[in-house]
Amino acid sequence: NAGVTQTPKFQVLKTGQSMTLQCAQDMNHEYMSWYRQDPGMGLRLIHYSVGAGITDQGEVPNGYNVSRSTTEDFPLRLLSAAPSQTSVYFCASSYEPPGRAGYTFGSGTRLTVV
Amino acid sequence: DAKTTQPPSMDCAEGRAANLPCNHSTISGNEYVYWYRQIHSQGPQYIIHGLKNNETNEMASLIITEDRKSSTLILPHATLRDTAVYYCIVRVHHGSSNTGKLIFGQGTTLQVKP
Repeated sequence: NAGVTQTPKFQVLKTGQSMTLQCAQDMNHEYMSWYRQDPGMGLRLIHYSVGAGITDQGEVPNGYNVSRSTTEDFPLRLLSAAPSQTSVYFCASSYEPPGRAGYTFGSGTRLTVV
Repeated sequence: DAKTTQPPSMDCAEGRAANLPCNHSTISGNEYVYWYRQIHSQGPQYIIHGLKNNETNEMASLIITEDRKSSTLILPHATLRDTAVYYCIVRVHHGSSNTGKLIFGQGTTLQVKP
């Protein structure tokens, strides 16, 4: 049982490049979400999904795309990276409703856009 | 989701109880109160949650006022490893348009001192 796995852990992109941040969970959780955290700030919700084939926008969705083709995976795509997207990205998953375990977060992907 | 208000920072002596307050005066009847913490730049960690009754687990206790407009997270014997940012969040469980959203505020930075 690996929990929530995020890859890569670190990434440097040039402005305009695209990339996909991977998130996988092996707990059969229905709910998955992506957050970004800028220095000294709280987490802000980008996109979330309540099940395979169902996604919705969070607080800061612009510049990001998501899809949920399987229960296990929820990739986050940066279409054309900008310096403003330099941040730490966290993926989270849970049962819906979360129950006693709450949400499980991954260890994060630290992205720098130059 | 209802918004929460927390003090930006608090200090606590090691071995003493840490009492972290949270105001959520606009909470609805079906919104749960969740507490998470984030140590350094790690992913947030679930602590506890509740609806209207007080809750206790191996990590902490959650006291919710009778009118549900505020709550207190209690760490009974704080250690240096409890130094972290603590987030109080309210969210709706299954069955509404807000299902699955976990919106973080700025949190309280708890510094446990020797």
